[in-house]
Amino acid sequence: QQKVQQSPESLSVPEGGMASLNCTSSDRNFQYFWWYRQHSGEGPKALMSIFSDGDKKEGRFTAHLNKASLHVSLHIRDSQPSDSALYFCAASEGTGGYKVVFGSGTRLLVSP
Amino acid sequence: EAAVTQSPRSKVAVTGGKVTLSCHQTNNHDYMYWYRQDTGHGLRLIHYSYVADSTEKGDIPDGYKASRPSQENFSLILELASLSQTAVYFCASSAFQSAETLYFGSGTRLTVL
Repeated sequence: QQKVQQSPESLSVPEGGMASLNCTSSDRNFQYFWWYRQHSGEGPKALMSIFSDGDKKEGRFTAHLNKASLHVSLHIRDSQPSDSALYFCAASEGTGGYKVVFGSGTRLLVSP
Repeated sequence: EAAVTQSPRSKVAVTGGKVTLSCHQTNNHDYMYWYRQDTGHGLRLIHYSYVADSTEKGDIPDGYKASRPSQENFSLILELASLSQTAVYFCASSAFQSAETLYFGSGTRLTVL
């Protein structure tokens, strides 16, 4: 079983709509979480990090972390076609990038 | 912004042949990584390095070697390429600190025939 599981595998939302992506981890040692975004033909790029319980908002993007339930989510408000990409959840227990574990990704399609 | 450059962008290799993928970073980062991306598996760590002339095994090192001749350069070597190694490979770098963000290159698409 993967330590970081994402849902759904794919998601389609209309332009201007809200996209919600979910991530659940099975390792209580994970303390740090990220969302990475990968556009087609490019490498992943860090979108947001969240290390404390609660919400973190950056523009149209809001991440929510609940360490007790090992759940982190990403909500994209007013989705744009340019948001269409593969989104990865990543988690780590501490120092050392080699400790980062990635989920298998959620493919988001935003239709005009 | 951090810069990680990979070469080549794509490569076709024959089964049993030797393949070398190269990565160069200008971020002055201590850590460098090689990941493999396959559909349904996300990103899996092959090898990493935290200092020149030293490499460490990641989660899926079998069939791969790595080389870090300098802080800026990190190579992934497939001595005997196999069909199962067809994938997209990403190099990344990060600073040494808690909760590091990884900076990825644009990837190399490798097809083994």
